[in-house]
Amino acid sequence: ETGVTQTPRHLVMGMTNKKSLKCEQHLGHNAMYWYKQSAKKPLELMFVYNFKEQTENNSVPSRFSPECPNSSHLFLHLHTLQPEDSALYLCASSQGQGNEKLFFGSGTQLSVL
Amino acid sequence: AQTVTQSQPEMSVQEAETVTLSCTYDTSESDYYLFWYKQPPSRQMILVIRQEAYKQQNATENRFSVNFQKAAKSFSLKISDSQLGDAAMYFCAYSLRDDKIIFGKGTRLHILP
Repeated sequence: ETGVTQTPRHLVMGMTNKKSLKCEQHLGHNAMYWYKQSAKKPLELMFVYNFKEQTENNSVPSRFSPECPNSSHLFLHLHTLQPEDSALYLCASSQGQGNEKLFFGSGTQLSVL
Repeated sequence: AQTVTQSQPEMSVQEAETVTLSCTYDTSESDYYLFWYKQPPSRQMILVIRQEAYKQQNATENRFSVNFQKAAKSFSLKISDSQLGDAAMYFCAYSLRDDKIIFGKGTRLHILP
């Protein structure tokens, strides 16, 4: 257990559904991240939040909408997803941004039907 | 653009033996950081080892050590006395100071009893 908790662990949704992924860190970190992990591809950084402010949006489609209400919580709201969005979505946190050690959650395995 | 290449999608090693995972990267910078992350079946990625490019001495963490060849832009991970719990995906990663971390595609390591 690294102190980063993600829920749900698994999620199956239709293309017309709306769902949210939740991430919570208990480490007192200031930066939080969303990554997408697809088979046989490098981890893709999606969003970065530093002190609740979004500092990076890596050209992510608008059907993914992040929310960071405070430094401990991070959400990823999903709507009208496509089958190619099926992947493992990982949340991470770090004390600062950049070359700091990342602490990851166990991810949400998302399947879009 | 910086890239990280892991040329071995899968590797196997006998328990108690030594294995080396390869990683090369491309950058024009001189000050950067390199990482190896481990992702076991639990999916929770964990930092194994971290190297600062300006340090010539190779980083070590117990049975894990790196061979950092800056001129060759190579950063291999050596695991000594392999144990069953070492079975995982291993990701090589790179970052500049205060910048996002870029990951390779990973190498799946199997430990043979």
